[in-house]
Amino acid sequence: GAVVSQHPSWVICKSGTSVKIECRSLDFQATTMFWYRQFPKQSLMLMATSNEGSKATYEQGVEKDKFLINHASLTLSTLTVTSAHPEDSSFYICSVETGINQPQHFGDGTRLSIL
Amino acid sequence: GDSVTQMEGPVTLSEEAFLTINCTYTATGYPSLFWYVQYPGEGLQLLLKATKADDKGSNKGFEATYRKETTSFHLEKGSVQVSDSAVYFCALSGNTPLVFGKGTRLSVIA
Repeated sequence: GAVVSQHPSWVICKSGTSVKIECRSLDFQATTMFWYRQFPKQSLMLMATSNEGSKATYEQGVEKDKFLINHASLTLSTLTVTSAHPEDSSFYICSVETGINQPQHFGDGTRLSIL
Repeated sequence: GDSVTQMEGPVTLSEEAFLTINCTYTATGYPSLFWYVQYPGEGLQLLLKATKADDKGSNKGFEATYRKETTSFHLEKGSVQVSDSAVYFCALSGNTPLVFGKGTRLSVIA
């Protein structure tokens, strides 16, 4: 399966700061990646589908201008949380799609804490 | 739309006990089914998968059989260990991106 590296694993920053999270597919050409958000003791909530070379597809209720996604190459997708506020604090996880009806492969997640 | 219903936890077991975590699904067509495991502070790891009816996925002593007649994919392990303590997610992949169950937290005590 694909090896997915997510960075940083933990970030703490002040309110109003923009934070960029990277998701790298180390051994697979990833046309499609996904970004999830997970609240404590809850399941994963799909935020958006990241498509290489085109605009991301956002799920209903996810602010496009708040959560900027860029997928400029087959190995890298980035999620930028713009002007972050305490309510944006969460665990963000990316994944790589390896084919139709195939498992997704996940990064280790990024814990974002906004003070 | 597609959905996954997973037994609610938390589940607490003694070491070497038998584990069952129930999972049922609703989907059109013929989805693939997965179990993922999440250890504290980490992302999700694929535990096992099954791509068609009657397939049995297995890994690390865990098993699950794709039952089309009952639309189920229950996770089982004959003898759990403390190191199995984690959150387990059932998921399906059909016409949409992965659909997850709500997760079941398992705690195994020595």
